[in-house]
Amino acid sequence: GAGVSQSPSNKVTEKGKDVELRCDPISGHTALYWYRQRLGQGLEFLIYFQGNSAPDKSGLPSDRFSAERTGESVSTLTIQRTQQEDSAVYLCASSSSAPDTQYFGPGTRLTVL
Amino acid sequence: AQSVAQPEDQVNVAEGNPLTVKCTYSVSGNPYLFWYVQYPNRGLQFLLKYITGDNLVKGSYGFEAEFNKSQTSFHLKKPSALVSDSALYFCAVRDRGGGSYIPTFGRGTSLIVHP
Repeated sequence: GAGVSQSPSNKVTEKGKDVELRCDPISGHTALYWYRQRLGQGLEFLIYFQGNSAPDKSGLPSDRFSAERTGESVSTLTIQRTQQEDSAVYLCASSSSAPDTQYFGPGTRLTVL
Repeated sequence: AQSVAQPEDQVNVAEGNPLTVKCTYSVSGNPYLFWYVQYPNRGLQFLLKYITGDNLVKGSYGFEAEFNKSQTSFHLKKPSALVSDSALYFCAVRDRGGGSYIPTFGRGTSLIVHP
């Protein structure tokens, strides 16, 4: 259980369907981040969890996007009524207390047809 | 507010030559600075960070970076490039006094090392 894991690694879905992406952080890491990386672009912050505090949702692009995390464990990112512009790689990262080096998972490549 | 710029989309260097990947930042207070590397179809991997102390920071795989406060830069360097260093490199900054735990990432620089 060394690193951050994400599943599925690839997801192809049809426009309008809902998808759920999963992230398993490194054990003991209190902070968890979700990012979106569009082809050829940098990282776009989506949401941040820190322990049991209220999450920072300031990066979520629309109300179709939501995420949950139970305590300091697994997180799921849900995208409802997917659109073609949602196609991207979704990256999850976890970190221990500040200053926070982030450890990234391999990502989930989402393709919306 | 915090921001980071990587002015080069791509850097080309011959194997064995020194390499530099540029990064400049803007914060209202003092920065935490990070470099990450992304290999094809992989997540980002941490290379090195500047928190405080020595301006020259040494990291993984022989990389180093120099924090220059007057020029607000944190350029990544390596004395002798390897073909295996070819990857996408991201600089990130977080304002220590900004009250946010969310770093800002640059757009990334593609490093290509030619044999």
